Amino acid sequence: DADVTQTPRNRITKTGKRIMLECSQTKGHDRMYWYRQDPGLGLRLIYYSFDVKDINKGEISDGYSVSRQAQAKFSLSLESAIPNQTALYFCATSDLGRGQETQYFGPGTRLLVL
Amino acid sequence: GESVGLHLPTLSVQEGDNSIINCAYSNSASDYFIWYKQESGKGPQFIIDIRSNMDKRQGQRVTVLLNKTVKHLSLQIAATQPGDSAVYFCAENFSGGYNKLIFGAGTRLAVHP
Repeated sequence: DADVTQTPRNRITKTGKRIMLECSQTKGHDRMYWYRQDPGLGLRLIYYSFDVKDINKGEISDGYSVSRQAQAKFSLSLESAIPNQTALYFCATSDLGRGQETQYFGPGTRLLVL
Repeated sequence: GESVGLHLPTLSVQEGDNSIINCAYSNSASDYFIWYKQESGKGPQFIIDIRSNMDKRQGQRVTVLLNKTVKHLSLQIAATQPGDSAVYFCAENFSGGYNKLIFGAGTRLAVHP
């Protein structure tokens, strides 16, 4: 969905490096999410934010941090990358305007940690 | 781009046939369900949703069925086309919690000519 963009789309880094993945949205949604996806597994939630002043840990937050710089921007950082953080990372947005939680996903960032 | 589909259950169908993809959800209190489609190299895309007060909902060529008794969700795709080839995920939401979607592992649909 072009309304949710992620940069970079691909990244190769080395163990111990700090990296940041960025997400921007033009949907005007308050809620933003970061997920990782590994082969054979579903999406697992890393962090989520219900508004600019709200940050919450998901099920696999260890080794990650986030920053909600504005309603439209939500970045994910790996403070010291390790090989088992190699995965596909997706940003998503949602609102409850229709009273339900439909999330819209970005195109993903493929991360390889050597 | 194919790494998402590795190790997933695969449903193979002939072009033009109907497809049925099944999902067992985990929380009997979940009240909202979504099906997503993920094509190679792309993020999941919303297909159709259903609330727990419904048993069936139809979209364009797709139908979602919900059986709350056995916590089962299915996605039916009519006249399956090559463009339907993708990984399909179901997701459940319990609005009484903190509104977090829980995703299934996914099913890969392979459409053969």
